[in-house]
Amino acid sequence: DIVMTQSPLSLPVTPGEPASISCRSSESLLHRNGFNYLDWYLQKPGQSPQLLIYLGSKRASGVPDRFSASGSGTDFTLKISRVEADDVGVYYCMQALQTVFTFGPGTTVEIK
Amino acid sequence: QVQLVQSGAEVKKPGASVKVSCKASGYTFVGYYLHWVRKAPGQGLEWMGRIGPNNGDTASAQKFQGRVLMTTEKSSDTAYMDLSRLRSDDTAVYYCARAYGSGNFLGAFDIWGQGTLVTVSS
Repeated sequence: DIVMTQSPLSLPVTPGEPASISCRSSESLLHRNGFNYLDWYLQKPGQSPQLLIYLGSKRASGVPDRFSASGSGTDFTLKISRVEADDVGVYYCMQALQTVFTFGPGTTVEIK
Repeated sequence: QVQLVQSGAEVKKPGASVKVSCKASGYTFVGYYLHWVRKAPGQGLEWMGRIGPNNGDTASAQKFQGRVLMTTEKSSDTAYMDLSRLRSDDTAVYYCARAYGSGNFLGAFDIWGQGTLVTVSS
């Protein structure tokens, strides 16, 4: 199975400041069709996870444009341009390339 | 609106089985794959498996193979996840999630159920 890692695992943030989370995969997630089969999810406290980004960099419907993602192959980054208090929770990357999907360990974002 | 509604919380003894349901509404049930994901206390999200409601195609994580059975009932737009031989470390919130992707991309879980807490305790 593809192993997903994330850093940092804990990220204290200041409202209004930018934040960045890194995700790495043990194998390339670049499909022959040119898309990276990587998603980003946020699980807010007490809620079900929600989709933020799919296919590496496509923002899901309703996701604010202060969320962006980039990367290709094995290295990916989720960026929040200006963190808001509502952005706290655990952020996960997930690979969807292989038959068996795998999540990263999660990055807990909290307000300083 | 588009939603997935799961069955209620369960308490089971070790060795027993649990069956969690996930009823879809607001969209064409057979048009999207459904995935099952769990979150144990203090742990991260864990992908368990998926099923294609139209063709019954399934895949599951190796650690659950032989213990998990995913099915769908097209007449009621409902998916089921049956986990057998329960252990205490199966205590978790279990989620179903719809995959927005199609074709060879089955990711992008855009709709999630509310979660079902399964507690395994003697």
